[in-house]
Amino acid sequence: QVQLQESGPGLVKPSETLSLTCTVSGNSISSGYFWGWIRQPPGKGLEWIGNIYHSGSTYYNPSLKSRGTMSIDTSKNQFSLNLSSVTAADTAVYYCVRGPNGTGWRVDYWGQGTLVTVSS
Amino acid sequence: QSVLTQPPSVSGAPGQRVTISCTGSSSNIGAGYDVHWYQQFPGTAPKLLISGNNNRPSGVPGRFSGSKSGTSASLAITGLQAEDEADYYCQSHDSSLSAVVFGGGTKLTVL
Repeated sequence: QVQLQESGPGLVKPSETLSLTCTVSGNSISSGYFWGWIRQPPGKGLEWIGNIYHSGSTYYNPSLKSRGTMSIDTSKNQFSLNLSSVTAADTAVYYCVRGPNGTGWRVDYWGQGTLVTVSS
Repeated sequence: QSVLTQPPSVSGAPGQRVTISCTGSSSNIGAGYDVHWYQQFPGTAPKLLISGNNNRPSGVPGRFSGSKSGTSASLAITGLQAEDEADYYCQSHDSSLSAVVFGGGTKLTVL
């Protein structure tokens, strides 16, 4: 059974960089899947942040205006998200996810989510 | 304002049939991109409910079904049960935005 677990600070100051890591268990980070991040502001809907492939190639939601950076570490079975210049609008529950390639970005596994609050 | 439009809320009595619409445009659903549906209970991560427009993953009851026509998609729930009370989201891809997009979500209330 695939499991994903987010980790990182729950509080980030405005203008700083939000950094999260997702640890994958039960399945090695391999080709054939994308590994991504989705966020949900409190009481609001879902927003796709971006995703990364085993090869290291990435896709980011243009709405982030180039603030996002993702990386993958196959030796640790982890992938990470950095979001720079955060504001209160970046306060959200952040989910790391997995989905099979070629399925229209279908997400079949989600982490439990971690709340990140942007506040001074 | 979401690219994919869902009604904020729908409701139905136990045993009834309800549908949740997901209205898009020619740059997303109308362009042929797949639509997926997710179910989310409060405080938990969403769960895949319908994939590729009308496919139920293993373990999803047959009461749930999806369809797609033109620039819209729909999720239907028959034989409504109290445990179906949750938020539902549609997802697709938009070629104009070059982005994976979600609907704004629909809260289902079982009366």
